[in-house]
Amino acid sequence: SQTIHQWPATLVQPVGSPLSLECTVEGTSNPNLYWYRQAAGRGLQLLFYSVGIGQISSEVPQNLSASRPQDRQFILSSKKLLLSDSGFYLCAWSFPGATRGGYTFGSGTRLTVV
Amino acid sequence: TQLLEQSPQFLSIQEGENLTVYCNSSSVFSSLQWYRQEPGEGPVLLVTVVTGGEVKKLKRLTFQFGDARKDSSLHITAAQPGDTGLYLCACGGATNKLIFGTGTLLAVQP
Repeated sequence: SQTIHQWPATLVQPVGSPLSLECTVEGTSNPNLYWYRQAAGRGLQLLFYSVGIGQISSEVPQNLSASRPQDRQFILSSKKLLLSDSGFYLCAWSFPGATRGGYTFGSGTRLTVV
Repeated sequence: TQLLEQSPQFLSIQEGENLTVYCNSSSVFSSLQWYRQEPGEGPVLLVTVVTGGEVKKLKRLTFQFGDARKDSSLHITAAQPGDTGLYLCACGGATNKLIFGTGTLLAVQP
């Protein structure tokens, strides 16, 4: 069966510091991978998605970047964090080519920039 | 970009009551999904509806897809505290990405 791992679960970082959040998927090959950000009690904003190694699509201009160095690894990064980067970050995967099968989400990272 | 509006934004009810939440768009969905998210966790897929007018049931939850495929509803019968959470609709299409709705935060009081 497929599993998705996301870490760390919580993170407190000072303004201006770098960020690296990692997400890995097991039990499947060539998944579509996604990074979302969520404000408290609200919907999800798609940040990045990837359909293959090295292929990253950015949905909104921002202080963040994403990379996919391996088939089942997706990394969210920032060189210098802003206060507005605080939020709940979720990684997800889906089977390639279609969304009807739904997404499987990781358990999320709560990022607080201070 | 397709926007999904959910209503109500917040709902607080007593155990045993019924409720309905809605998901609406000005555009046609190719498919529509409902997720439930508990605090501090990622959303979990409940159901996918594809055909206009489709109705799916999952125990006490009934999902309906509008005939014109522009709206959907989720009805919960005899709500229980375990139903508490954030309910999200999401639509997808020919692209590889889902767009999520604004969410309905449900609290069921014992």
